[in-house]
Amino acid sequence: AQTVTQSQPEMSVQEAETVTLSCTYDTSESDYYLFWYKQPPSRQMILVIRQEAYKQQNATENRFSVNFQKAAKSFSLKISDSQLGDAAMYFCAYRRLYNNNDMRFGAGTRLTVKP
Amino acid sequence: GAGVSQSPSNKVTEKGKDVELRCDPISGHTALYWYRQSLGQGLEFLIYFQGNSAPDKSGLPSDRFSAERTGGSVSTLTIQRTQQEDSAVYLCASSLWTSGRGGPPSYEQYFGPGTRLTVT
Repeated sequence: AQTVTQSQPEMSVQEAETVTLSCTYDTSESDYYLFWYKQPPSRQMILVIRQEAYKQQNATENRFSVNFQKAAKSFSLKISDSQLGDAAMYFCAYRRLYNNNDMRFGAGTRLTVKP
Repeated sequence: GAGVSQSPSNKVTEKGKDVELRCDPISGHTALYWYRQSLGQGLEFLIYFQGNSAPDKSGLPSDRFSAERTGGSVSTLTIQRTQQEDSAVYLCASSLWTSGRGGPPSYEQYFGPGTRLTVT
């Protein structure tokens, strides 16, 4: 079974600084997708960034980047130049490559951004 | 274009009553998912619809939960004889179906705003 673990229930960062959210996962598959989703108070889940396990290059989307360590089964999210609008719950998620409905989510990390 | 919509936004019901939650996916999305998010928890998969295939009901927690998808579009999640432990946010998502590597590139799940269910 695939499991996703986020060991940081809460994190805090000063505006304009950098913060890293941790995620580890367990799988016996070699090919899969990894995602980070953001959930603001509106409850709308928004995809922040995705990573294909068969790609060695770390994904980057503007101020968001990941550190994907396949051997360690680690997938951390780095937010640079943090903004007040980044405050939200962040969920790490895993999906098998060939199974569209098997998405596993971590318990989430609540990020607070201090002005 | 319109995103995934869900109704109602909030629902308060008495223990033992039945409730129906509605999801309107993005037009053209053949895959539809229901998740449950309990307070302070991640998302728990409930059920998945893909086109005309039989739904994957492996995540439904009990036989009080059921869902249908009419005409390959709108979906309704029904909870019968609600219990207090059913209180949660119920999220719906839709996506284009993908066969994986070599298939269409879109595999992102687009989420609705959820329905907050409170059972008193």
